[in-house]
Amino acid sequence: GAGVSQSPRYKVAKRGQDVALRCDPISGHVSLFWYQQALGQGPEFLTYFQNEAQLDKSGLPSDRFFAERPEGSVSTLKIQRTQQEDSAVYLCASSWAWGTEQFFGPGTRLTVL
Amino acid sequence: GNSVTQMEGPVTLSEEAFLTINCTYTATGYPSLFWYVQYPGEGLQLLLKATKADDKGSNKGFEATYRKETTSFHLEKGSVQVSDSAVYFCALKLGITQGGSEKLVFGKGTKLTVNP
Repeated sequence: GAGVSQSPRYKVAKRGQDVALRCDPISGHVSLFWYQQALGQGPEFLTYFQNEAQLDKSGLPSDRFFAERPEGSVSTLKIQRTQQEDSAVYLCASSWAWGTEQFFGPGTRLTVL
Repeated sequence: GNSVTQMEGPVTLSEEAFLTINCTYTATGYPSLFWYVQYPGEGLQLLLKATKADDKGSNKGFEATYRKETTSFHLEKGSVQVSDSAVYFCALKLGITQGGSEKLVFGKGTKLTVNP
């Protein structure tokens, strides 16, 4: 594809609802990353995949957060029982191999009411 | 742990003014250093990078030099334009060969507004 795409671009959830955020990386990119960006802050790392293998999930803030990439392409970040502190922009990035430039998507803005 | 501290904004300049945005880092090894830019309504884009001490990254008139002795990577541009208005993020990465991972560690960002 032309770039990393994410959907939905905006999501409003009531506290306690489950949400699923989708990332379509650039075609052929092996590595995929998720970051969380709170308002007025820099992005913070959540998790990283190499193909379908989740190599680093040290940034996931709680066991309510779960990410998958079952076929080594599209990835989904799922947040269960959303809380207000989960409100943020969730960024996805991909790179063609480890050590190469990460290309970022436009992000999904999640607002939890 | 590994962290990045960059100068707080916002920064407001007139067109053709000189720009400096300070960035310092703390890292357990020898990181690669990056500046990313986020234009209004757009995603993060890599602006420039440097992978070892004394390297200078440059792009679009911006430049930054990796200073190991001062653990700094300050962003500079000699003459800013209105189109440079954006949020700038300094970041580091300790790659797998450094015992780290591929994750980027970002500063909080500095918002730059350039007035005509």
